[in-house]
Amino acid sequence: SQKIEQNSEALNIQEGKTATLTCNYTNYSPAYLQWYRQDPGRGPVFLLLIRENEKEKRKERLKVTFDTTLKQSLFHITASQPADSATYLCALYNQGGKLIFGQGTELSVKP
Amino acid sequence: GAGVSQSPSNKVTEKGKDVELRCDPISGHTALYWYRQSLGQGLEFLIYFQGNSAPDKSGLPSDRFSAERTGGSVSTLTIQRTQQEDSAVYLCASSHEQGAGNQPQHFGDGTRLSIL
Repeated sequence: SQKIEQNSEALNIQEGKTATLTCNYTNYSPAYLQWYRQDPGRGPVFLLLIRENEKEKRKERLKVTFDTTLKQSLFHITASQPADSATYLCALYNQGGKLIFGQGTELSVKP
Repeated sequence: GAGVSQSPSNKVTEKGKDVELRCDPISGHTALYWYRQSLGQGLEFLIYFQGNSAPDKSGLPSDRFSAERTGGSVSTLTIQRTQQEDSAVYLCASSHEQGAGNQPQHFGDGTRLSIL
């Protein structure tokens, strides 16, 4: 069956460290993968998109990798800040024309 | 420059009542999506619209759920004879075009639905 899995346990890190979140998928061949941020009581906000032929994408302190062999995407936040605390969702674009979301990983950055 | 707007932001109703949720997408966005998010869970796809038509209704949980979109703009999601398991946050998103995975989706802040 098709699955998208993100770390279900919350990730707690110290301010200034690099946060790394994982998104694994099975039985998909996504052409695109997207990452979103969601704060409590708010809708998700788009952060980054990476294509299947791209290995890595950067935007300011954010970096996303996409390994279609491992069927995995890693999402990195460098020099993390308490304001980065949120839930981060990965989403795959499948051939059916819709985004399929993972359940999200909660990140907490402590000062 | 408004984003996606949803109303009401909160809705509390009794089991068995009908509810109607509204979504105002970003102007010019042709694709519109509805999702459901239960507490601590990811987003569950319900339905999407390309213009006024809904090519994929596969995510609607039962025939008590229906949605329409008029004028290529506003959409309403209707839940008839609500059940307690319908309690969730209903999120709407819009994008420039459907079927293009390189388009980000822009979300509203959702309607928090509670069925008593």
